[in-house]
Amino acid sequence: AQKITQTQPGMFVQEKEAVTLDCTYDTSDQSYGLFWYKQPSSGEMIFLIYQGSYDEQNATEGRYSLNFQKARKSANLVISASQLGDSAMYFCAMREGGSGGGADGLTFGKGTHLIIQP
Amino acid sequence: DAGVTQSPTHLIKTRGQQVTLRCSPKSGHDTVSWYQQALGQGPQFIFQYYEEEERQRGNFPDRFSGHQFPNYSSELNVNALLLGDSALYLCASSGTRSYYNEQFFGPGTRLTVL
Repeated sequence: AQKITQTQPGMFVQEKEAVTLDCTYDTSDQSYGLFWYKQPSSGEMIFLIYQGSYDEQNATEGRYSLNFQKARKSANLVISASQLGDSAMYFCAMREGGSGGGADGLTFGKGTHLIIQP
Repeated sequence: DAGVTQSPTHLIKTRGQQVTLRCSPKSGHDTVSWYQQALGQGPQFIFQYYEEEERQRGNFPDRFSGHQFPNYSSELNVNALLLGDSALYLCASSGTRSYYNEQFFGPGTRLTVL
C-alpha cells in the first residue's frame, strides 16, 4: 500500500481563488511529520509547511495552511488567494518516527500539477 | 547564505558506466539525503548520511553508494548504470538543531543514461 496518496494528478484554478490539494497518508507510527513541497519547472524542491502528528493546531505559513485531520489520516494543503507564480508541482511527504534527534528519509506522494489561470 | 548546491547540472552516460554526483549542504547543516526522481514521479529516498556514515537507506540496490566528507559535503556513486537510472537526482540537507528538521533541496542533477 502506498504511504502517501495524492489523488489529483492535475488541477486548473482561476487566479485569486483558494485551492485545496489532497493528501492522505498511511503509517502505524504514533510520531510522524507531514511536509508539503513545491517543485517549479526548474526542479528545485521548495519547503512550504510542516505538521507534526502531535501538533493540536493546523499549521499555517502565510498563504499556506494545512488542514490536518488525524483520524482520517489526511493532510490537505490549502493555498489562499492563488497567484500565477503558484503554478508548479506540489508534493506531500511524510517522515515517520520522532522529529527530534535527527532527520530521516522522506516518503513522497506522486504529486499534483497545479496550474493557475489568469 | 548559500543553499544546497549540486554538481554537475546535467550528465549523459552510457549503460554500464559509473557516475559520481556531488552535493554541498546548506551552511550549518550536517545531514545529507539523496533522492531519485523519475520523470512524472515523486522523489524516492536513496540514503542519508550523518557524521560520515550511512544512517538510513531506502530500497535501492548496492550499485548506489555514497560518501560524506568531514566538511559535510557528500557524493552519490552509481555503478553499472542502467537505462532505468535516468532521473533527476536531488540532494537535501538538514540540521539536527532545526525544530522541523525540514530538508532543504538542491537544484538536482539530471542524469541521462543512453
